[in-house]
Amino acid sequence: KAGVTQTPRYLIKTRGQQVTLSCSPISGHRSVSWYQQTPGQGLQFLFEYFSETQRNKGNFPGRFSGRQFSNSRSEMNVSTLELGDSALYLCASSLETRAGANVLTFGAGSRLTVL
Amino acid sequence: GNSVTQMEGPVTLSEEAFLTINCTYTATGYPSLFWYVQYPGEGLQLLLKATKADDKGSNKGFEATYRKETTSFHLEKGSVQVSDSAVYFCALSRSPGNTPLVFGKGTRLSVIA
Repeated sequence: KAGVTQTPRYLIKTRGQQVTLSCSPISGHRSVSWYQQTPGQGLQFLFEYFSETQRNKGNFPGRFSGRQFSNSRSEMNVSTLELGDSALYLCASSLETRAGANVLTFGAGSRLTVL
Repeated sequence: GNSVTQMEGPVTLSEEAFLTINCTYTATGYPSLFWYVQYPGEGLQLLLKATKADDKGSNKGFEATYRKETTSFHLEKGSVQVSDSAVYFCALSRSPGNTPLVFGKGTRLSVIA
């Protein structure tokens, strides 16, 4: 069973540009979450999508946006890049169940460097 | 709000030493608790979880017990190996379902032969 796939794995952008990151969840998983990981702030929740609807949103500026498609694949976009957006962006998917805790399965991440 | 506090690293141990990484939490209600591990250059992998008080999660020789009275979920392993070198994250989810994980800052473990 394929895991969570994130593309691209590495990318370099300059300030002011925009970037789109892609995430393909595990087959059958309908929930996709995005996290930003930086050395200073650690892991911070960006947003979560379920059945093409944003269900939760973290405390990030409007430059950060996302969407989910009917096949559960998700993209996130960051516009007007700033140096502080350099980070590892992690996508995670989960299988919604009513019993017990939903377990997130993470992808390897997309490492964004803003110059 | 919900938060997780982990002991600061880095932690350096010799092979076969005993490991404890402390984790305490603040949350309303009855959160689910997790330990995730991140190996160099990789994403996070679930190590173990516990969903209610006194539950013990275990995997690959690691254990953690959900202690509601002390709001703790400390990670332990009796004998670490070099391959256990990684960053360990404690996390909570406020309830089963659609709530985001809140992570601790992570603890870097280095095991030397």
